Amino acid sequence: QSALTQPASVSGSPGQSITISCTGISSDVGSYSLVSWYQQYPGKAPKLIIYEDSKRPSGVSNRFSGSKSGNTASLTISGLQTEDEADYYCCSSAGIHWVFGGGTKLTVL
Amino acid sequence: EVQLVESGGGLVQPGGSLRLSCEASGFTVSSNYMSWVRQAPGKGLEWVSVTYSGGSTYYADSVKGRFTISRDNPKNTVHLQMNSLRAEDTAVYYCVVVYFDAFDIWGQGTMVIVSS
Repeated sequence: QSALTQPASVSGSPGQSITISCTGISSDVGSYSLVSWYQQYPGKAPKLIIYEDSKRPSGVSNRFSGSKSGNTASLTISGLQTEDEADYYCCSSAGIHWVFGGGTKLTVL
Repeated sequence: EVQLVESGGGLVQPGGSLRLSCEASGFTVSSNYMSWVRQAPGKGLEWVSVTYSGGSTYYADSVKGRFTISRDNPKNTVHLQMNSLRAEDTAVYYCVVVYFDAFDIWGQGTMVIVSS
């Protein structure tokens, strides 16, 4: 169960858009699996922001969007805000197991 | 209000055991998929185990044979029994409700430190 691959860090300026990629092996992202994304602030529990590849839970800003193509899933954050600075994790269900990405630290300059 | 409160973490010696508990409120654990996810200090998230509403249980390879997930339905609580603990099990352990294959509702976490 190898971890999904995410960039260690990304950065952007307020108002810009950024995209975080999540690449998996064929038995994870790319197969019939569902990708979810989580936002985590230091010292806090993660928060679900995208599920089923591209759906947003109630209360999550529409600035967050998810997509999947082939073996890669992506999280796009548009109109960056300072409060978006956090760690972001992708996760894929692999049958009866889940696999997380290594996490991406988003810095809002 | 839906809430999960974990307890039972602490310092334990290598080879020792610990039992984590997750008390739920605002919903019924017996009707939901419940999971444990952990995070080692300064590291990423790692899925540990899941129990389905039908009773099936599954584990990450890293804990299989050492950890056991269970439910106490009358107490609306989920447990994680951890045996033969290793230094690499040191982490914050989160109890999570699973919806649509995603980790939807998280507890605040409980810290487990395995050290001599």
